[in-house]
Amino acid sequence: SQKIEQNSEALNIQEGKTATLTCNYTNYSPAYLQWYRQDPGRGPVFLLLIRENEKEKRKERLKVTFDTTLKQSLFHITASQPADSATYLCALDMRTGNTGKLIFGQGTTLQVKP
Amino acid sequence: DGGITQSPKYLFRKEGQNVTLSCEQNLNHDAMYWYRQDPGQGLRLIYYSQIVNDFQKGDIAEGYSVSREKKESFPLTVTSAQKNPTAFYLCATELYNEQFFGPGTRLTVL
Repeated sequence: SQKIEQNSEALNIQEGKTATLTCNYTNYSPAYLQWYRQDPGRGPVFLLLIRENEKEKRKERLKVTFDTTLKQSLFHITASQPADSATYLCALDMRTGNTGKLIFGQGTTLQVKP
Repeated sequence: DGGITQSPKYLFRKEGQNVTLSCEQNLNHDAMYWYRQDPGQGLRLIYYSQIVNDFQKGDIAEGYSVSREKKESFPLTVTSAQKNPTAFYLCATELYNEQFFGPGTRLTVL
């Protein structure tokens, strides 16, 4: 079965630095890979989607890469701010039709210190 | 305001009782999902529905039931057959591959 792994240890960085979060998966590559942000006690919020034929995607201070050879996605937040502190979830989009399953990783908690 | 509402925010249940979690949306999205989240774990899919009067089991459907009689509503019933129901339950809709989540319901079995 498809497995997805994110670093379970919290990532602590200093404000202004670039945070890099890793998402690794096994078996076959998904059509899409998504990243979500989740704050404590709240539902996740969609951030970015990257397709298997895209190497990199950017949105403001966020950048996602997708390497199907390494079976890995990296999520970068540049010029990080304390407000970026949250848990970030990676999700593999395994759909074959219009809708279907997302397989979520357990998330990595980011703490940005002022 | 467009969005997804889940109620109640906190729910306490005695063992052996069934309980229904509400999920309502006014986004006019066809697809709706129920997930369960346990501490330190990713979201796990319970049920999903692509259209009214149709739904499919997810990875952990045992002990749960759903209905989809209206586009706006996708209630989840946690039955007494669910052995470990204490968790954070999230409802979501979907449009163009992006999922929109509600605020969640935290269910605790006493």
